[in-house]
Amino acid sequence: DGGITQSPKYLFRKEGQNVTLSCEQNLNHDAMYWYRQDPGQGLRLIYYSQIVNDFQKGDIAEGYSVSREKKESFPLTVTSAQKNPTAFYLCASSIGQGETEAFFGQGTRLTVV
Amino acid sequence: ILNVEQSPQSLHVQEGDSTNFTCSFPSSNFYALHWYRWETAKSPEALFVMTLNGDEKKKGRISATLNTKEGYSYLYIKGSQPEDSATYLCAFPLYNTDKLIFGTGTRLQVFP
Repeated sequence: DGGITQSPKYLFRKEGQNVTLSCEQNLNHDAMYWYRQDPGQGLRLIYYSQIVNDFQKGDIAEGYSVSREKKESFPLTVTSAQKNPTAFYLCASSIGQGETEAFFGQGTRLTVV
Repeated sequence: ILNVEQSPQSLHVQEGDSTNFTCSFPSSNFYALHWYRWETAKSPEALFVMTLNGDEKKKGRISATLNTKEGYSYLYIKGSQPEDSATYLCAFPLYNTDKLIFGTGTRLQVFP
């Protein structure tokens, strides 16, 4: 079955540590996205990638980093520079160019302890 | 930061009521407008992708209209059912890019 997989589902991090969230898709999509959701807020764009080896900052990129070495994979690293990392993170992918729908993973809930 | 606004923020209706909510987006350089439904404990799923001014799309009891000149889209649910309870999100792709910006969402609760 084609789809987009995020792991882990829950993640706990100590303050000051970097942590990497995984996102893999087998839909052959060019575009991939990372969003963050906080209580009472919508989805805010962290980073997106239109093609392998290329990515662009979204609206809240500070304290995050990404890579796109393979078409299927778009991992997100939450660094110690991110002041409020506790949130729900969603990864998505699409064919691209905005005229087609995005498909989402199940999300990762990150908690800083 | 490009603004995509949704209203109301939340809505509580009785089973059988019809309801509608709004997505507002920049009217310049329009490319497309997406609607998604996000049920609790699930992933967001696309309802519609709309590209033409005046476009109307329908899926069962849910329909959407689009006005690109004034920058808004309406989502209608006819005869709401408890299973329609979800957060409804609209998303606006930035022209000629893959940047997809989401609105704040409308949380709908339908009571039996």
